[in-house]
Amino acid sequence: GAGVSQSPSNKVTEKGKDVELRCDPISGHTALYWYRQSLGQGLEFLIYFQGNSAPDKSGLPSDRFSAERTGGSVSTLTIQRTQQEDSAVYLCASSLTEGGGGEQFFGPGTRLTVL
Amino acid sequence: GQSLEQPSEVTAVEGAIVQINCTYQTSGFYGLSWYQQHDGGAPTFLSYNALDGLEETGRFSSFLSRSDSYGYLLLQELQMKDSASYFCALNQGGKLIFGQGTELSVKP
Repeated sequence: GAGVSQSPSNKVTEKGKDVELRCDPISGHTALYWYRQSLGQGLEFLIYFQGNSAPDKSGLPSDRFSAERTGGSVSTLTIQRTQQEDSAVYLCASSLTEGGGGEQFFGPGTRLTVL
Repeated sequence: GQSLEQPSEVTAVEGAIVQINCTYQTSGFYGLSWYQQHDGGAPTFLSYNALDGLEETGRFSSFLSRSDSYGYLLLQELQMKDSASYFCALNQGGKLIFGQGTELSVKP
């Protein structure tokens, strides 16, 4: 079956512009996560959605970052007024249940470059 | 808060055994996961320890000791394709908190 997909694969934007990143999780997975990874670094948790529960937004670095998940499936991560420090690979993951026994399935990521 | 420490780099020879250690500080967690990431690729799940002890999955094994705040990933019969970054991650009820990763280089 299809894995997690993300679009676009690459995004170059100018400082101050808004960007939207999209994630399509694996069908049937109730939990969806966003992480970001700077060059040579580990993954930094941003936000996760579990079913109809309120999302855990504890990892969002500032109020310029927001995310939504429509219909329990597709998710969009929005970054407003982008800054150069926002440049990173943004990874989406999904799991069958919350926690998923520690197993999350990752998409290929969106590489964001802010000029 | 929570933090995880791993060696930044490890080098080993093809066919050998290598152990990647992970020490952590946390107020609570459900388990410890391990992920592999090749250059430019997505992280892929390797192993998970919810309980203390050893979990074996083919050539990969993972160990957890909660009393020592310590875990490790053991890779046996190393192959060139095992050259990648390896991350330990604390499972905190959904979200994963990752270490900075260990870059493993396998030499012929």
